[in-house]
Amino acid sequence: GESVGLHLPTLSVQEGDNSIINCAYSNSASDYFIWYKQESGKGPQFIIDIRSNMDKRQGQRVTVLLNKTVKHLSLQIAATQPGDSAVYFCAGVLKAAGNKLTFGGGTRVLVKP
Amino acid sequence: EADIYQTPRYLVIGTGKKITLECSQTMGHDKMYWYQQDPGMELHLIHYSYGVNSTEKGDLSSESTVSRIRTEHFPLTLESARPSHTSQYLCASSEFRRGEAFFGQGTRLTVV
Repeated sequence: GESVGLHLPTLSVQEGDNSIINCAYSNSASDYFIWYKQESGKGPQFIIDIRSNMDKRQGQRVTVLLNKTVKHLSLQIAATQPGDSAVYFCAGVLKAAGNKLTFGGGTRVLVKP
Repeated sequence: EADIYQTPRYLVIGTGKKITLECSQTMGHDKMYWYQQDPGMELHLIHYSYGVNSTEKGDLSSESTVSRIRTEHFPLTLESARPSHTSQYLCASSEFRRGEAFFGQGTRLTVV
């Protein structure tokens, strides 16, 4: 079939190391951002979100950082495990557009044993 | 745990056939979406709905059509399948006031 979009970049990380996944966004009006994890053969699953008036939010083994000055979002995974191998997508939510969810390009994370 | 279901999971069908991909959610969500995704590629929104009798085209042009007659059901139809329609189709739903979307497992469609 015809390919849609761009091939995703890949991040290889050693098991136990920390991973940092980056995402650049273009719409500065987004009200909040969401990180999704998509494992092979499955639909994306919610990981963590952050409101646009925040700089940092922590979850279980994950931290999201938001830099509105440079329109950059990052997801940090502490002590990366084999189960973290997946594709990670960031998405922006715009309330003015009816909470429309717009996905950015994803990153494939490969955890090496 | 999200309750959104897609059927079939896998479908191989000949060119020219009419197909309908099913999506149902039991969470009472007003908003539903269809995304198209090729393996290892980005997600692209092709259709969305804010509620019953509401359907909108997404960011990526698609020859498919959708309907929303019931809150819980958001089927996608291709009147005449072509090999270029080969892709994975993901359905999602969310509450009206929240953007966080819950996804189904996807339907991997192959048109031969």
